Amino acid sequence: KQEVTQIPAALSVPEGENLVLNCSFTDSAIYNLQWFRQDPGKGLTSLLLIQSSQREQTSGRLNASLDKSSGRSTLYIAASQPGDSATYLCAVQSGANNLFFGTGTRLTVIP
Amino acid sequence: IAGITQAPTSQILAAGRRMTLRCTQDMRHNAMYWYRQDLGLGLRLIHYSNTAGTTGKGEVPDGYSVSRANTDDFPLTLASAVPSQTSVYFCASSGDQGGEQFFGPGTRLTVL
Repeated sequence: KQEVTQIPAALSVPEGENLVLNCSFTDSAIYNLQWFRQDPGKGLTSLLLIQSSQREQTSGRLNASLDKSSGRSTLYIAASQPGDSATYLCAVQSGANNLFFGTGTRLTVIP
Repeated sequence: IAGITQAPTSQILAAGRRMTLRCTQDMRHNAMYWYRQDLGLGLRLIHYSNTAGTTGKGEVPDGYSVSRANTDDFPLTLASAVPSQTSVYFCASSGDQGGEQFFGPGTRLTVL
């Protein structure tokens, strides 16, 4: 069974800093990897999807990378803002219907 | 506004009662999913449907059933609720199996 780990569990940074969130997975046979954002008491918002054949995806200040062979992905957030405060979830698609989630990194950006 | 709606937003239920959580999407997505989110465990797949008329079991299907009579609706039923089913339930959809998944706002269920 695919195991997804996110480190750190929580992170606090001052506004304006660049930061990296980490995600690792145990089985490199994946369809894709998806990063989500979840605000307290809310649903998940899809941020980026990286197909297994891709190495990275970018959307605005966000850049996600994928290294299948080492079982790792990173989410880079540039010039962080207080509005970026949320929990960030990494999910790996193994098999057509199996999306395995990490437990998330709770980010706090301090004004 | 296109997206996924879930109802109810929250519910408190007595153990042993039957409950159906509703999910509707208007994006004409073929695939739909039900997850539960528990503290410290992350989201886990309960059931899925790749297309109308078909369903499949996920990681934690016991105690739950689903149906997919049409493209838009994917209800989740708890036949006889137990306290361990206290959780936040999320419905999701994707254009096709294996595609980017989009999530609804969730239903917070408490079983006493």
